[in-house]
Amino acid sequence: ILNVEQSPQSLHVQEGDSTNFTCSFPSSNFYALHWYRWETAKSPEALFVMTLNGDEKKKGRISATLNTKEGYSYLYIKGSQPEDSATYLCADYNFNKFYFGSGTKLNVKP
Amino acid sequence: NAGVTQTPKFQVLKTGQSMTLQCAQDMNHEYMSWYRQDPGMGLRLIHYSVGAGITDQGEVPNGYNVSRSTTEDFPLRLLSAAPSQTSVYFCASSYSQGSGGYTFGSGTRLTVV
Repeated sequence: ILNVEQSPQSLHVQEGDSTNFTCSFPSSNFYALHWYRWETAKSPEALFVMTLNGDEKKKGRISATLNTKEGYSYLYIKGSQPEDSATYLCADYNFNKFYFGSGTKLNVKP
Repeated sequence: NAGVTQTPKFQVLKTGQSMTLQCAQDMNHEYMSWYRQDPGMGLRLIHYSVGAGITDQGEVPNGYNVSRSTTEDFPLRLLSAAPSQTSVYFCASSYSQGSGGYTFGSGTRLTVV
């Protein structure tokens, strides 16, 4: 079982603030790192799939970076909006299996 | 496209009963998996399949069986329900084993009394 850790567990920010959170994963045998957005009462939705060291992905105000040598990925949200409130999950794909972190719960106050 | 369809959405079982959670996808995805989600523990992999006829165990397989006779369907069977299996279950599929993002079903909330 791989240990995928996310920090912080929860985050409260004001509308307009920029924020970021971290996903740490074992750096050996790396294959892919996924980010998902999970709104309450819905299913997780894929944000990014990252496979190469130094990868940077962007979707609107959300972006992510990947460092496979040191085993971490950052997710950034620029100018947070209330609709960004959700739990953000990362998952490490290794040995045919996905290992999910427990998520960072983001609450954006208007 | 329907995507990933899970049924039922809610279920209450008595201890010792068996049941099957259904999962079907219409995207021709090879990779399918089942997760359970418990408070404070995130998503934990129960079983997965890399294609029709091939299944394997995840982190928490005990008490569950799966089969994959077609590409579209991946049912999860609870053999003899226990209160510890009270959870929310998600089925997910992907076109690729690692380089494609998952599409998740809407979940099944199971309570075992």
